[in-house]
Amino acid sequence: KNEVEQSPQNLTAQEGEFITINCSYSVGISALHWLQQHPGGGIVSLFMLSSGKKKHGRLIATINIQEKHSSLHITASHPRDSAVYICAVTPGQGAQKLVFGQGTRLTINP
Amino acid sequence: NAGVMQNPRHLVRRRGQEARLRCSPMKGHSHVYWYRQLPEEGLKFMVYLQKENIIDESGMPKERFSAEFPKEGPSILRIQQVVRGDSAAYFCASSSGTGSYEQYFGPGTRLTVT
Repeated sequence: KNEVEQSPQNLTAQEGEFITINCSYSVGISALHWLQQHPGGGIVSLFMLSSGKKKHGRLIATINIQEKHSSLHITASHPRDSAVYICAVTPGQGAQKLVFGQGTRLTINP
Repeated sequence: NAGVMQNPRHLVRRRGQEARLRCSPMKGHSHVYWYRQLPEEGLKFMVYLQKENIIDESGMPKERFSAEFPKEGPSILRIQQVVRGDSAAYFCASSSGTGSYEQYFGPGTRLTVT
């Protein structure tokens, strides 16, 4: 079993829909990261959080440390949001490397 | 303020050749991480380096792979005697390391072994 699990693996929605991607992890962490990867493209860091909630534009990330769960929400989704969204954790204390989920491939149709 | 730079962006090697991937961290960053993304798979940690030191190489294959981050110049990921299974996207990330867990990714090098 992977230390970081994401669901769903694939998600297709219509433009304007509210999107939720979930991430569960099984290890103690120092931080959780949400990343975005466009096809053939690089990786962009969207959020890093260790508690509570963060918002940037139409994106919202939440984390529940007790339940070891995080969600990424996209409001008023747009075709340009189509990408792979990756959850990653910095495990333990003092560790620096990232441990990644398998990613969620999001497709927003116009 | 340049971000993390990687070169080359695309690299084609024949089986048995050597591949050298370069990563220049963000200005002021002294911590570098290499990750590999095999086709249709998730990202996996390979190695974590600080200037002149390998801190964690637990994700590096035992043979043919090596990494360095010299006092001057970029970090280098070296793959000797490449095989088809080495075809992947290799991403470098950097951080300041001063109590921050945030990592900034480069655009990646896509290695194709023919």
